[in-house]
Amino acid sequence: QKEVEQNSGPLSVPEGAIASLNCTYSDRGSQSFFWYRQYSGKSPELIMFIYSNGDKEDGRFTAQLNKASQYVSLLIRDSQPSDSATYLCAVPGGGADGLTFGKGTHLIIQP
Amino acid sequence: ETGVTQSPTHLIKTRGQQVTLRCSSQSGHNTVSWYQQALGQGPQFIFQYYREEENGRGNFPPRFSGLQFPNYSSELNVNALELDDSALYLCASSLASGYEQYFGPGTRLTVT
Repeated sequence: QKEVEQNSGPLSVPEGAIASLNCTYSDRGSQSFFWYRQYSGKSPELIMFIYSNGDKEDGRFTAQLNKASQYVSLLIRDSQPSDSATYLCAVPGGGADGLTFGKGTHLIIQP
Repeated sequence: ETGVTQSPTHLIKTRGQQVTLRCSSQSGHNTVSWYQQALGQGPQFIFQYYREEENGRGNFPPRFSGLQFPNYSSELNVNALELDDSALYLCASSLASGYEQYFGPGTRLTVT
């Protein structure tokens, strides 16, 4: 069974700094990786996805994938208080293409 | 473009009862997946529907069942509700099986 591991936090980062969120996964065959942001009481929102090794940038967000180390990370540059949320890492494989999620990392941006 | 919608927003049921939750997929999406999210946990995959057929299932008992309709909307049915079924139920749609999934706002189910 595929597993996804994340540090639950909370991870506290000062406003304007870079927040670094990490995720490891168990299945070497995983081909795609997703980052979701979830505000308290709300549903997950897809913010990044990455399929190939290396970096993918979208605005202030950068996803980094290292398949050899089975490691995917999310960097948030110029962190804002509105970035405070739980960040969920997910890989396909929960059955067909159902996603397997980590428990999420709770990020707090301190003004 | 209309996003994923779910109804109802909140629901309170008694143990042993049955419940039906509904989901309308995003325009152009033919695949719907259902997830259960307990407090403090990541979502857990229940099942996926693709073109009206169940396309995969997570580790949930048969009392969790579903349907997908020709317009790609979907229902999740849960029979014989248990207290542990209290959770946020999320529906996600995607362009096709294997593509990125976009979540609806969820239905908060409380079983007493």
